[in-house]
Amino acid sequence: QVQLEQSGPGLVKPSQTLSLTCAISGDSVSNNSAAWNWIRQSPSRGLEWLGRTYYRSRWYNDYAVFVKSRITINPDTSKNQFSLHLNSVTPEDMAIYYCARSLSYYFYMDVWGKGATVTVSS
Amino acid sequence: DIVMTQSPDSLAVSLGARATINCKSSQSVLYSSNNKNYLAWYQQKPGQPPKLLLYWASTRESGVPDRFSGSGSGTDFTLTISSLQTEDVAVYYCQQYYSTPYIFGQGTKLEIK
Repeated sequence: QVQLEQSGPGLVKPSQTLSLTCAISGDSVSNNSAAWNWIRQSPSRGLEWLGRTYYRSRWYNDYAVFVKSRITINPDTSKNQFSLHLNSVTPEDMAIYYCARSLSYYFYMDVWGKGATVTVSS
Repeated sequence: DIVMTQSPDSLAVSLGARATINCKSSQSVLYSSNNKNYLAWYQQKPGQPPKLLLYWASTRESGVPDRFSGSGSGTDFTLTISSLQTEDVAVYYCQQYYSTPYIFGQGTKLEIK
């Protein structure tokens, strides 16, 4: 049974970097058919897909245009996890952040983390 | 980007009655080479992440009750709950995975009348 466990600070100061980690059990971040996604949810913007990382002989990333200049998603094969880094945060980045697995790169998201609430405040 | 629009935004249905939620995409999510619609439905209850209900527009995820069904093709899709139960109170989202960025509908809040 695949499980995703999220961790990271719940409070980030404006202009700083939001960093979250998603630890995978029951699958591998290097699975060469899966993709590993970050999604966020806020009352004003709903569910927003932020980006993904996946391995197909080498590592690939795709990012949503609206965060592309600020986002990095990194795999960590030694710990079987992947991370989200979003820099220059503003109050608009306050949301619940989820990680999720897709079984392929154009595929539905079948396993989700429980979510991490991130507040942006000084 | 493919925009997803759900209707209605909220819905109140009597216990045991049918609930129908619609989802429209701004362009077709039917991939002609495999004749699959790249459309998923999720259920979200308060304090929980979205839960996958249906994929390929009409295939139920393992463990999902058969009162949940999906239909439609191309740009117009429907989620139907044939006989509403109390545990079905939730927000329902459609999502296209035909292309990135993956886009979700705005959600439909389903309540008991």
